[in-house]
Amino acid sequence: DAKTTQPNSMESNEEEPVHLPCNHSTISGTDYIHWYRQLPSQGPEYVIHGLTSNVNNRMASLAIAEDRKSSTLILHRATLRDAAVYYCILRYQGGKLIFGQGTELSVKP
Amino acid sequence: DGGITQSPKYLFRKEGQNVTLSCEQNLNHDAMYWYRQDPGQGLRLIYYSQIVNDFQKGDIAEGYSVSREKKESFPLTVTSAQKNPTAFYLCASIRRLVDGMNTEAFFGQGTRLTVV
Repeated sequence: DAKTTQPNSMESNEEEPVHLPCNHSTISGTDYIHWYRQLPSQGPEYVIHGLTSNVNNRMASLAIAEDRKSSTLILHRATLRDAAVYYCILRYQGGKLIFGQGTELSVKP
Repeated sequence: DGGITQSPKYLFRKEGQNVTLSCEQNLNHDAMYWYRQDPGQGLRLIYYSQIVNDFQKGDIAEGYSVSREKKESFPLTVTSAQKNPTAFYLCASIRRLVDGMNTEAFFGQGTRLTVV
């Protein structure tokens, strides 16, 4: 199974952009890249996903490298409510959703 | 409103007892998953099911059992064989990949199981 690698933690200042990196060097051509975030004592919530092209939605942007071996979740203006653990995962055609350790994002006012 | 529901939110059991955690979804999703999360850790996959009456072991299936008799329900039983059952358990569902379509996973709010 392909794995993802993320930094354990990152810090940001409120109102500034945040770039959360993810490496997935063994990704296969049919794996989708998903991002979820989890607040304490809650289930993860969906943020964004993509396959090859960059994606934007109301929550964030996803930039995918041309070789698909890495991706970056971009929060354009971090707020205190964005403090959470962010998970980058690959969705296999076989259906497994494998989570890594995630990146704990802290946002300073 | 459609969603995925786990119950109860908190559960206490005595050591040596089996306990069943409920997970129900009304999203008409094909695939359902059970994860375990320990403090400060990521999610680890216990079991998953792509269709009714079929399921596969995840990375840490020992000491757990599941059933998938109905599309909307995927209960998890924590048996007495699970050596360290105290944890936060999360259930998720997702529409199965069909013809290149891809959709997001929905998670329940979790059940915090404490075994004393």
